[in-house]
Amino acid sequence: NAGVTQTPKFQVLKTGQSMTLQCAQDMNHEYMSWYRQDPGMGLRLIHYSVGAGITDQGEVPNGYNVSRSTTEDFPLRLLSAAPSQTSVYFCASSHSSSYNSPLHFGNGTRLTVT
Amino acid sequence: AQKITQTQPGMFVQEKEAVTLDCTYDTSDQSYGLFWYKQPSSGEMIFLIYQGSYDEQNATEGRYSLNFQKARKSANLVISASQLGDSAMYFCAMREPRSNDYKLSFGAGTTVTVRA
Repeated sequence: NAGVTQTPKFQVLKTGQSMTLQCAQDMNHEYMSWYRQDPGMGLRLIHYSVGAGITDQGEVPNGYNVSRSTTEDFPLRLLSAAPSQTSVYFCASSHSSSYNSPLHFGNGTRLTVT
Repeated sequence: AQKITQTQPGMFVQEKEAVTLDCTYDTSDQSYGLFWYKQPSSGEMIFLIYQGSYDEQNATEGRYSLNFQKARKSANLVISASQLGDSAMYFCAMREPRSNDYKLSFGAGTTVTVRA
């Protein structure tokens, strides 16, 4: 069982470039989300989805887009990369959006923007 | 206001001993979920254990147990018989039903170093 799969594991971008971080889960989870982890800031929610076709903004959505065309996939797009987007990105999913449903995380993508 | 507080930035523990990681939380909801995650130096976030606000028994998962004191709003993680592979950052987190984005709110984390 693969769980939550994120690609790539590492990425270096130049300022202004765009890219898509891929996320796929094979657990038939309704809820999917993207977090970024920064030193001293903890993990912050970027975007989330409660089901296919439904997405919404989290705490720090600026500069990022998401879509959820299938239950399995939840890609995160950086529109025009900025050095402030240098971070570790995690995709996470849960069976439901209920408070008692644990989030399962992918292995993360370490992004550097120069 | 900080929803999750972890007051221990770092801890050392001797191999085979037990260690307790502190976590206090703040919520006005009656229903909520508390979670602990492990992040080793390789970077992945591993779900360890869950405690529901209505659970009367403390949660246990192998060598992990959660000391849940609802009145004190604390959810401390106990790792028994520590192993070298337990060296990692540990995060306490909470999920609340009134949160519009259903997110996990994380504490700042505690780094555990297990000594041989």
